[in-house]
Amino acid sequence: EVQLLESGGGFVQPGGSLRLSCAASGFTFTNYAMRWVRQAPGKGLEWVSTIGSGATTYYADSVKGRFSISRDNAKDTVYLQMNSLRAEDTAVYYCAKGSSPGLYYFDYWGQGTLVTVSS
Amino acid sequence: QTVVTQEPSFSVSPGGTVTLTCGLSSGSVSTTYYPSWYQQTPGQAPRTLIYSTNTRSSGVPDRFSGSILGNKAALTITGAQADDESDYYCVLYMGSASWVFGGGTKLTVL
Repeated sequence: EVQLLESGGGFVQPGGSLRLSCAASGFTFTNYAMRWVRQAPGKGLEWVSTIGSGATTYYADSVKGRFSISRDNAKDTVYLQMNSLRAEDTAVYYCAKGSSPGLYYFDYWGQGTLVTVSS
Repeated sequence: QTVVTQEPSFSVSPGGTVTLTCGLSSGSVSTTYYPSWYQQTPGQAPRTLIYSTNTRSSGVPDRFSGSILGNKAALTITGAQADDESDYYCVLYMGSASWVFGGGTKLTVL
């Protein structure tokens, strides 16, 4: 059974930093891209970042230059380092397993971790 | 900037059929956008329903189906049930490992 468990969310002041983690199990982690999607309170979903199985990284324009995604294949974990946080980054952040190559969808989702950016 | 459009809300009677759509602010949705659909109830993580336009994810009942209707992607629920009352999101693949989600449709079953 695929499981994704996010952690690291919390309360941070504007301009601060936070690192989210997503521990994966139930599949061969090294074979799949991993993604982060966020949802601001009462709003819709927004793709944030992807890291490929080969560690190539991609970012939404809204976070480019401030967020950094990485993965540790030895720990089956993906990270999202968030710097220069803004109030508009307040959201539940979901980790999602990438689909098989060529299918381009979000396969499994974690339960999310809440990030609140406020002074 | 690409905007993916969805109906903000929709209602359906129990046992009825409803079709939710997913369009582009400029242009037509085709299979090359690999449209996928997700169901989300309040406080829960999204659940994958449909991918690659019309392929049901594992465990999804066959009363959920996906298609291209005209210039939009569509999610049809046939024989709606009370627990189908949720938010439904589509997402389109824009290439270069980037995706754009629609704003979501709040479906009411009453």
